[in-house]
Amino acid sequence: AQKITQTQPGMFVQEKEAVTLDCTYDTSDPSYGLFWYKQPSSGEMIFLIYQGSYDQQNATEGRYSLNFQKARKSANLVISASQLGDSAMYFCAIGNDMRFGAGTRLTVKP
Amino acid sequence: GAVVSQHPSRVICKSGTSVKIECRSLDFQATTMFWYRQFPKQSLMLMATSNEGSKATYEQGVEKDKFLINHASLTLSTLTVTSAHPEDSSFYICSATPGTRQTYEQYFGPGTRLTVT
Repeated sequence: AQKITQTQPGMFVQEKEAVTLDCTYDTSDPSYGLFWYKQPSSGEMIFLIYQGSYDQQNATEGRYSLNFQKARKSANLVISASQLGDSAMYFCAIGNDMRFGAGTRLTVKP
Repeated sequence: GAVVSQHPSRVICKSGTSVKIECRSLDFQATTMFWYRQFPKQSLMLMATSNEGSKATYEQGVEKDKFLINHASLTLSTLTVTSAHPEDSSFYICSATPGTRQTYEQYFGPGTRLTVT
């Protein structure tokens, strides 16, 4: 069974600063994928970034980067230069069938 | 590319009636589709996984007779909530994957908000 844990129900960050959203996981699969999604108030799920378990380098996509520490089973999302539009729910997920964590509500302050 | 649509976006129905939600992959063939339910201020919970032409695989605790899933073609999956009750009111989201080797190719629909009165 796969399990995803997000321990931060809510986070605040000042505009233009960086923020790290935590995600830990547990899986017995030797090969797996980790995902981060953003869900604004409209409800749509917006794909942000993907990390494969065998990827040697941390994934990056624009202002999003993933701090992947395989031995610690963590895949934290780093958002640099936060923008007001980044305010949303953020979900970490694992596996082909997308087991989601509880989510973190990020609020960017002007 | 890789657009998934859902219809309807919002639906209100009376208790005891059935509601059908459609999930379509518009520009790719979806070998697998997933159905999720999301209650307010909660995470997405996987309900079932459906593969084209075969029976859906339901997650533990999801009533297969209440939530009927049909994946009749490579571009369409439907979720029918039968004999709906107010506790079925939720946000239902589907996702689809073309099933290629790249596992991150999963695309979400915009969701359907169901309200049962």
